[in-house]
Amino acid sequence: DAGITQSPRHKVTETGTPVTLRCHQTENHRYMYWYRQDPGHGLRLIHYSYGVKDTDKGEVSDGYSVSRSKTEDFLLTLESATSSQTSVYFCAITGGFMNTEAFFGQGTRLTVV
Amino acid sequence: EDQVTQSPEALRLQEGESSSLNCSYTVSGLRGLFWYRQDPGKGPEFLFTLYSAGEEKEKERLKATLTKKESFLHITAPKPEDSATYLCAVQTIPDKLIFGTGTRLQVFP
Repeated sequence: DAGITQSPRHKVTETGTPVTLRCHQTENHRYMYWYRQDPGHGLRLIHYSYGVKDTDKGEVSDGYSVSRSKTEDFLLTLESATSSQTSVYFCAITGGFMNTEAFFGQGTRLTVV
Repeated sequence: EDQVTQSPEALRLQEGESSSLNCSYTVSGLRGLFWYRQDPGKGPEFLFTLYSAGEEKEKERLKATLTKKESFLHITAPKPEDSATYLCAVQTIPDKLIFGTGTRLQVFP
């Protein structure tokens, strides 16, 4: 299995609190992605990174921020959690052009109450 | 706007009944098209990457093909263990990885 882990695996938090999810990889891959998965919407891209300190927005980036200070770690922060952000969050990594077998973490189930 | 559309949303097959899943895409630039399998409660599992029109890949009962506008995932003589959601994704230029909403496949004995 590819070396990619997400933490925590499950979290319950209150509305208005900040939350940080972590994605850690040991593959030294350049690209890292954060998705949320909701019934009827599939996997929607939140943010992605194409290198250390290089990030860009996906289609559902409002209310989320990311940081990548090291190749191996990509953090997703919900600045002030809302109930609409209750979802399953997946991190993915790829090696880039012609090496694009994207591997996924196990997912983080986040519930905002 | 980059877009990936999968059809049908759901598919019920009898064991041994072959069929195809469709993935159509509209993107500004295509680096590659990917197929994944996802089982409930798990992350997507990589199946295939296709890079250019005319390319085909096979794995057991699955065969993926690619044209300039769409890809097909052909399932030959499916078994109940093939039941899962099948996801299609495209990697664009620059390197976004965009998914369709998936096809939920159920194979009955």
